[in-house]
Amino acid sequence: GAGVSQSPSNKVTEKGKDVELRCDPISGHTALYWYRQSLGQGLEFLIYFQGNSAPDKSGLPSDRFSAERTGGSVSTLTIQRTQQEDSAVYLCASSFPGLARNEQYFGPGTRLTVT
Amino acid sequence: DAKTTQPPSMDCAEGRAANLPCNHSTISGNEYVYWYRQIHSQGPQYIIHGLKNNETNEMASLIITEDRKSSTLILPHATLRDTAVYYCIVRVGDAGGTSYGKLTFGQGTILTVHP
Repeated sequence: GAGVSQSPSNKVTEKGKDVELRCDPISGHTALYWYRQSLGQGLEFLIYFQGNSAPDKSGLPSDRFSAERTGGSVSTLTIQRTQQEDSAVYLCASSFPGLARNEQYFGPGTRLTVT
Repeated sequence: DAKTTQPPSMDCAEGRAANLPCNHSTISGNEYVYWYRQIHSQGPQYIIHGLKNNETNEMASLIITEDRKSSTLILPHATLRDTAVYYCIVRVGDAGGTSYGKLTFGQGTILTVHP
């Protein structure tokens, strides 16, 4: 079946502009995660949605970052007033916690470049 | 979640077994050991996980020491396509083996499989 999809695959934006990144999780997966990976850095957790529970926003680096998940499916990560340090690959993952191993399935990522 | 320590890089000859170590000396009784890998330009991929018993699946085997302070991921017959960054992660789980929430990635081990 279809995996996690993300759009756009690449985004170049000017410093100070707002950007929106989209994630379509695997159908039926109730958990959705956002991570980012900067050049030379490891994978950094940003935010986690699980069903109707309040999201875990503990990884968001600043108040310029926000995310929402509509209808328990598609999620949008918004970065306001982008800075050069926001340049990274933004990865989305989804999982179905009802399964024992609850593995996270990752999308291909959106490469964001802030000029 | 407990911290893990992995060697930064390893080499392996194609067709030979690749044994990737991980130290997690502060692991708690309810924390599972997970392994993911990330092939260049792709999102991470689940490999295997375990609590205290050794585990095997179609991809790999996981050997956990009796004191659970370390583990080894074994790729029995490494191929060139196994060249990737391998991440060892410990994560709280319930009695049924289900873990929830974010994955905390370290720097991982860069495994290079050569002909």
